[in-house]
Amino acid sequence: AQSVTQLDSHVSVSEGTPVLLRCNYSSSYSPSLFWYVQHPNKGLQLLLKYTSAATLVKGINGFEAEFKKSETSFHLTKPSAHMSDAAEYFCVVRPGYSSASKIIFGSGTRLSIRP
Amino acid sequence: SQTIHQWPATLVQPVGSPLSLECTVEGTSNPNLYWYRQAAGRGLQLLFYSVGIGQISSEVPQNLSASRPQDRQFILSSKKLLLSDSGFYLCAWILIGTGITEAFFGQGTRLTVV
Repeated sequence: AQSVTQLDSHVSVSEGTPVLLRCNYSSSYSPSLFWYVQHPNKGLQLLLKYTSAATLVKGINGFEAEFKKSETSFHLTKPSAHMSDAAEYFCVVRPGYSSASKIIFGSGTRLSIRP
Repeated sequence: SQTIHQWPATLVQPVGSPLSLECTVEGTSNPNLYWYRQAAGRGLQLLFYSVGIGQISSEVPQNLSASRPQDRQFILSSKKLLLSDSGFYLCAWILIGTGITEAFFGQGTRLTVV
């Protein structure tokens, strides 16, 4: 079965410090992996995606994520947090086999930024 | 161009009333379409997905149903709403091709059942 686990429901960091949002997936095949951000009362915005190209993926707003197959992880990082980064972040997985139509969202991680 | 439309944006309905949320896509044929729900303080839960006309897969038993009457139309319905149906509903279109996976989301519908 395919699944995605976001290990932290809430992460709080100080402005200017690094951000780490953890995501682990379970898939029998090479998956496509995404990170989406949702600001309060807004829609979902794609931050970055991995689709079997470079394992280190750079996204918008200074975020990046590294696909580690051996650890089945796709953690999201940012070197220096900004107040505008406060939002809900979702890790999303799509299994890699051709008939796979299911897209699975993680439960989300709420990122808070302390001044 | 490829776009996805979802309406209405907000909806307040009394308990026991019916529900119909509509999602349509443009710029593609035979899309994979999805309905998700986000309850307050929780993540996005996959409700239904459809790979073609008349083909619906249900992920969780619930008070809702989905239909795919046309290739680019996906409808979420309920005959009688419950208080627990309140939440944020999101339609998604996932474009899957060789080396390509793109996800497009509707604007979402915030449903409040009173």
